[in-house]
Amino acid sequence: DAGVIQSPRHEVTEMGQEVTLRCKPISGHNSLFWYRQTMMRGLELLIYFNNNVPIDDSGMPEDRFSAKMPNASFSTLKIQPSEPRDSAVYFCASSPPFGGGETDTQYFGPGTRLTVL
Amino acid sequence: QQQVKQSPQSLIVQKGGIPIINCAYENTAFDYFPWYQQFPGKGPALLIAIRPDVSEKKEGRFTISFNKSAKQFSLHIMDSQPGDSATYFCAASGWDSNYQLIWGAGTKLIIKP
Repeated sequence: DAGVIQSPRHEVTEMGQEVTLRCKPISGHNSLFWYRQTMMRGLELLIYFNNNVPIDDSGMPEDRFSAKMPNASFSTLKIQPSEPRDSAVYFCASSPPFGGGETDTQYFGPGTRLTVL
Repeated sequence: QQQVKQSPQSLIVQKGGIPIINCAYENTAFDYFPWYQQFPGKGPALLIAIRPDVSEKKEGRFTISFNKSAKQFSLHIMDSQPGDSATYFCAASGWDSNYQLIWGAGTKLIIKP
């Protein structure tokens, strides 16, 4: 199993530019999570999807952030326009359908390190 | 009520020592308590998890102790090794968090050789 795949691994952009982060969850998983990690704020849940439907986006910082999941194997997190305070590591995680022994387990991707200058 | 409080923020232990990381929660509906381990440059990965029907769970050198009445749980690492140096996160979930994990703030653990 390839695990959760994220791209790009590193992104450096200038303030005001649009940034798109991509995630491919583990096949068969039906929940997908986007997190942001910083030294100051730790690990923050931004949004999560279940069966491709956004369930909770209360963690999305503001309207500059948007996320989509057009199908079960792909999701994007977009920041437009980007700001220096968006600099962080963004993780995507997926989890299997509810009903088994480890259904609460989240499997994280390697993250995208975003730097906004 | 959805918070999970983790301490300490950082911890330095000599090789072979037993680091202990503590977490406390308030929501009695939580029924799943995992610990995740994160190495630099990697995403967090599940290390060990416990449900409230047991007070202790061991997997290799890692042990979770769970105190339901105190609403606390802790991670112990026996015979710690420099390779255990990582950031450790506790979390909790239950029906009224929609089974979303509520995360602790993390503990940066350094095991000195």
